[in-house]
Amino acid sequence: GAGVSQSPRYKVTKRGQDVALRCDPISGHVSLYWYRQALGQGPEFLTYFNYEAQQDKSGLPNDRFSAERPEGSISTLTIQRTEQRDSAMYRCASSVSPSTDTQYFGPGTRLTVL
Amino acid sequence: AQSVTQLGSHVSVSEGALVLLRCNYSSSVPPYLFWYVQYPNQGLQLLLKYTSAATLVKGINGFEAEFKKSETSFHLTKPSAHMSDAAEYFCAHARGFSRDYGGSQGNLIFGKGTKLSVKP
Repeated sequence: GAGVSQSPRYKVTKRGQDVALRCDPISGHVSLYWYRQALGQGPEFLTYFNYEAQQDKSGLPNDRFSAERPEGSISTLTIQRTEQRDSAMYRCASSVSPSTDTQYFGPGTRLTVL
Repeated sequence: AQSVTQLGSHVSVSEGALVLLRCNYSSSVPPYLFWYVQYPNQGLQLLLKYTSAATLVKGINGFEAEFKKSETSFHLTKPSAHMSDAAEYFCAHARGFSRDYGGSQGNLIFGKGTKLSVKP
């Protein structure tokens, strides 16, 4: 595609529900990154993939958060048993290769947990 | 630990005035530094990046930034502000350096952002 796309753009859920956030990177991009951005803050790293392999998940806050990229393209970030503190903008980015500096960001998914 | 500090969460300038947004970093590895801009309801867009080549980096929309190792700074400037420059600006640092790939790797560490307002 022309750019990184994310869906849904907005998600409102009730506390305790599971949510799945999708990221479709730029076609052919090897690396895919997930970030979370709280209001008034910069994005914070969650995890990243090269192809289908998860390279670093040190930013995932706890075991309710998981991510996968099974075919090395689309990625899903799943949050189980959501809590109000999970409310944030979730951003996805991709880059051409692991050594390429430029990460291209999607528009984000705004998650609100009631 | 690596970190990025942006001085000033809000900066206001008049149209036509100099824009200066400050960024300082701390790093124990070769720094790869970036400025991103975020317009309302849009994703982050790369303005410019420093990857150990020229210390003065020119970006899009007339912005430039100078890497100063002695000051551990990477301030963003634009000689003359335009109304369309109003946005939030983020300075970022690449977390690691990959000898295997010969470049930055992995996640970016962002500052908290600076909102730029431009007055007519």
